[in-house]
Amino acid sequence: AQTVTQSQPEMSVQEAETVTLSCTYDTSESDYYLFWYKQPPSRQMILVIRQEAYKQQNATENRFSVNFQKAAKSFSLKISDSQLGDAAMYFCILSLGGGGADGLTFGKGTHLIIQP
Amino acid sequence: DSGVTQTPKHLITATGQRVTLRCSPRSGDLSVYWYQQSLDQGLQFLIQYYNGEERAKGNILERFSAQQFPDLHSELNLSSLELGDSALYFCASSASGASGAYEQYFGPGTRLTVT
Repeated sequence: AQTVTQSQPEMSVQEAETVTLSCTYDTSESDYYLFWYKQPPSRQMILVIRQEAYKQQNATENRFSVNFQKAAKSFSLKISDSQLGDAAMYFCILSLGGGGADGLTFGKGTHLIIQP
Repeated sequence: DSGVTQTPKHLITATGQRVTLRCSPRSGDLSVYWYQQSLDQGLQFLIQYYNGEERAKGNILERFSAQQFPDLHSELNLSSLELGDSALYFCASSASGASGAYEQYFGPGTRLTVT
């Protein structure tokens, strides 16, 4: 079975500052993918960034980047130049590759507050 | 807008009742996933359908069932409802059912309240 742990239930950051959200995971599979999704107050789940486990290079998407440490099974999200619109619940998610997807395994989420 | 639609947006019903939640995937997506988001359990994967066939099962109760129709829309049926079934139910779709590599596009969810 897969597990995902987000140890920070809530984080707060000043607008324009940088914040890092932590995530660790556990799986015995070698073929998997990691995602960060955000859920703003509208409740819509929105993809922020994805990382293929077989890639060593950390994914980046504009102001969002990850620090993927495969050996440590760590997948943190860094948000640079935080904006008010970044306020949301952020979920770290593990997805297995290969045949027969098993859906997604979610962390409990980190509530990100942006202070103006 | 993800392109995934879910109806109804809100549903209030009594314990013991049965409800049906509906999901239409993005155009061209063959896979539909159902998730439950509750305060105590967080987000949980329930079940996946791919091109009309059940592909994977998660923490879905026996009182719950789902199906995917030839036009690829899906329905989640919840019966003998209990207070603890109150939750936000998400549907998501993706292009492929054979790999977890593909992004899943989530619908806006159906808020179910059991009284």
